[in-house]
Amino acid sequence: AQTVTQSQPEMSVQEAETVTLSCTYDTSESNYYLFWYKQPPSRQMILVIRQEAYKQQNATENRFSVNFQKAAKSFSLKISDSQLGDTAMYFCAFMIVFSYGKLTFGQGTILTVHP
Amino acid sequence: KAGVTQTPRYLIKTRGQQVTLSCSPISGHRSVSWYQQTPGQGLQFLFEYFSETQRNKGNFPGRFSGRQFSNSRSEMNVSTLELGDSALYLCASSLEEGSNTGELFFGEGSRLTVL
Repeated sequence: AQTVTQSQPEMSVQEAETVTLSCTYDTSESNYYLFWYKQPPSRQMILVIRQEAYKQQNATENRFSVNFQKAAKSFSLKISDSQLGDTAMYFCAFMIVFSYGKLTFGQGTILTVHP
Repeated sequence: KAGVTQTPRYLIKTRGQQVTLSCSPISGHRSVSWYQQTPGQGLQFLFEYFSETQRNKGNFPGRFSGRQFSNSRSEMNVSTLELGDSALYLCASSLEEGSNTGELFFGEGSRLTVL
């Protein structure tokens, strides 16, 4: 069975600063995807960034980047130049390729960006 | 393009009743997944449907069921409601054409309260 662990229940950061959210996972599979999803208060969950396990290069999407350490089974999210709109619950998630819609989520990290 | 639409957004039921939740995926998306989100258990996968067939199922009792129609719209049903079924139920759709990118698009959810 796959597990995803987010060890930081809550984080806070000042606007314009950089913050890193941690995520570790456990699996015996070799072909999988990793995701960070963002769930703002009372709003729908949206994909922030996606990483394919076979790719060594870390994914980047504008201010969001990941540090993917496959051997260590670590997948952290770095948010640069934090904005007030980044305030949300962030979920790290894992999916085996062709597992038909089954994401395994971590418990989430509440990120608050302060002005 | 319209996003994933879930109805109703909020509902209150009493123990022993049943409930049906509806999900309309993004146009052209043929895969629909359902998740339960609670403060205690986090996000848990319920099931996934593609072309009216259930392809994957999580570890939930048989009281939780679903179906998908020929237009890809999906419904989930919970019978004999228990207090512990109070949760946000999220629907997600994906394209599923050939390659599996793993990316899911979520709706805003249906918040069920069982009294």
